[in-house]
Amino acid sequence: DVKVTQSSRYLVKRTGEKVFLECVQDMDHENMFWYRQDPGLGLRLIYFSYDVKMKEKGDIPEGYSVSREKKERFSLILESASTNQTSMYLCASSFQTGGAGELFFGEGSRLTVL
Amino acid sequence: GENVEQHPSTLSVQEGDSAVIKCTYSDSASNYFPWYKQELGKRPQLIIDIRSNVGEKKDQRIAVTLNKTAKHFSLHITETQPEDSAVYFCAAGTYKYIFGTGTRLKVLA
Repeated sequence: DVKVTQSSRYLVKRTGEKVFLECVQDMDHENMFWYRQDPGLGLRLIYFSYDVKMKEKGDIPEGYSVSREKKERFSLILESASTNQTSMYLCASSFQTGGAGELFFGEGSRLTVL
Repeated sequence: GENVEQHPSTLSVQEGDSAVIKCTYSDSASNYFPWYKQELGKRPQLIIDIRSNVGEKKDQRIAVTLNKTAKHFSLHITETQPEDSAVYFCAAGTYKYIFGTGTRLKVLA
């Protein structure tokens, strides 16, 4: 079974703090994604990476950055957390052979910014 | 920008009845259309997908239809059961995709 592990299920941070959300996958997938899930808005893509050290902005990248130094690990960084970044963050990975494929999601990290 | 619209946002059906969820997309380059199910407190999981060279796909009680000309696709669940209760998301795209806003399906016993 594919396993996508997110380092923290619940985090509480203060406005202005730097926040790191870590994600690790164990299936040698090329592609990794960070989504944000909010009620009534579905899943919105923040960033994705199709290879080590490669990244591409998604639909809502403002206020976020990412790092992919190793194939299995994809980190989401909030340089200066704000209250409007309170949300559920989902990491996903996929193995893509010439086209879109199934996303395997982690359990999610619920971030509260006070 | 590109978007995916999903309707209805909530749907209640009696056990044994059918449920239909509809999505429309704007990016004509989209060639992959997956559906994900998310149970309460759990991660989304793929239940069925369809590619643009296929008009319909079926897997037991679940079917998806695609009309590329009209840019819409639908999820059909027949003989619904209480365990079908969940939030369902459609998505459309190519190597990355945009999700719809979700449909909360409640199957009433």
